[in-house]
Amino acid sequence: SQTIHQWPATLVQPVGSPLSLECTVEGTSNPNLYWYRQAAGRGLQLLFYSVGIGQISSEVPQNLSASRPQDRQFILSSKKLLLSDSGFYLCAWSIRGGNTIYFGEGSWLTVV
Amino acid sequence: SQKIEQNSEALNIQEGKTATLTCNYTNYSPAYLQWYRQDPGRGPVFLLLIRENEKEKRKERLKVTFDTTLKQSLFHITASQPADSATYLCALKRSYNTDKLIFGTGTRLQVFP
Repeated sequence: SQTIHQWPATLVQPVGSPLSLECTVEGTSNPNLYWYRQAAGRGLQLLFYSVGIGQISSEVPQNLSASRPQDRQFILSSKKLLLSDSGFYLCAWSIRGGNTIYFGEGSWLTVV
Repeated sequence: SQKIEQNSEALNIQEGKTATLTCNYTNYSPAYLQWYRQDPGRGPVFLLLIRENEKEKRKERLKVTFDTTLKQSLFHITASQPADSATYLCALKRSYNTDKLIFGTGTRLQVFP
């Protein structure tokens, strides 16, 4: 069966520090991969979308970047965090052409 | 621009009653619509998918309707239980030729004994 893991689960980072959130998917090949952000009291915002290694689509201009160095690995990064980057970050995957998205456990980021 | 709206106010109902949540969308012609459940501090979990040619879909105590004329989906939980308390999100694909899902803001359901 397929599983998705993301880490760390929680982190508190000072403004201006770098960020790296990592996500891996197991049990499937060539998945679509996604990073979503959920700010407090707000909906899920799609940040990045990837259909293959090195292929990243950015949905909104922001202080973040994403990379996909391997087929089932998706990394969310920032060189310098802003207070507004705080939120709940969710990695997700779907089968190419599939309808359903499967989410990871999420990572809580607090920028102080 | 495309928009998905769900009632941002929490829905509080008594155990045993039927909960009805609403999802409205504009500027879309989706082939199907999905509903997810999200518990606090967790990622959303897929519940049901309904296609544009389906008026109604059921799964155990869950029922979803899809009215493409009204651009609305209703999500019903019958015989609700406190364990049904969560936030429920509706989601649409942005267009036919993409796998990207756009989510509504969700409606929080609280079922009290």
